[in-house]
Amino acid sequence: EIVLTQSPATLSLSPGERATLSCRASQSVSSYLAWYQQKPGQAPRLLIYAASNRATGIPARFSGSGSGTDFTLTISSLEPEDFAVYYCQQRRSWPLTFGGGTNVEVK
Amino acid sequence: EVQLVESGGGLVQPGGSLRLSCAASGFIFSSHWMHWVRQAPGEGLVWVSGINNPGSSPYYADSVKGRFTISRDNAKNTLYLQMNSLSAEDTAIYYCARGLYENYFDPWGQGTLVTVSS
Repeated sequence: EIVLTQSPATLSLSPGERATLSCRASQSVSSYLAWYQQKPGQAPRLLIYAASNRATGIPARFSGSGSGTDFTLTISSLEPEDFAVYYCQQRRSWPLTFGGGTNVEVK
Repeated sequence: EVQLVESGGGLVQPGGSLRLSCAASGFIFSSHWMHWVRQAPGEGLVWVSGINNPGSSPYYADSVKGRFTISRDNAKNTLYLQMNSLSAEDTAIYYCARGLYENYFDPWGQGTLVTVSS
């Protein structure tokens, strides 16, 4: 099973600041990695797939990068609606796995 | 508009069974893999099971293998999850999700809560 480790667990930032979230895989997942956003009481929403492709309707301030074992989700300038929990997920091999999440909170 | 609506959750005793359904609309259901993902209260996301377009190849997390069965009815645009031998560890919100490029998840349903308790 591929283990995904996200860091930091919590990121405290102010609106307008840049957010950098990390996801590290226990073995190579090539570019088969996605990022999701989840707000309290809501279902997750796909942000990025195949490491760097924005999903439909996702603002350009969200970007993804990386390949192999190290990946980054960057939010260039935090909007109030971006404070949420973010998860990475790999589809390289079964079972499909998620990281433990990064909580982006208001500083 | 793509929509996924789960149903069938509720309170069940340990050792009991439950069948979840996910009604899909707004897209060609038979053209997509489908998945179940769960989230225990206050916890992260855990993939549970996925099934290919025709329904011939199911996949399971080890934690549910042998107890849960995923299936689909492409004529009814509906995904199912039969859950047997339930334990407290299965308590969670269960989401269904459409497979994007097979095994990314987009979109997600609103979820249905399963509570296993005596």
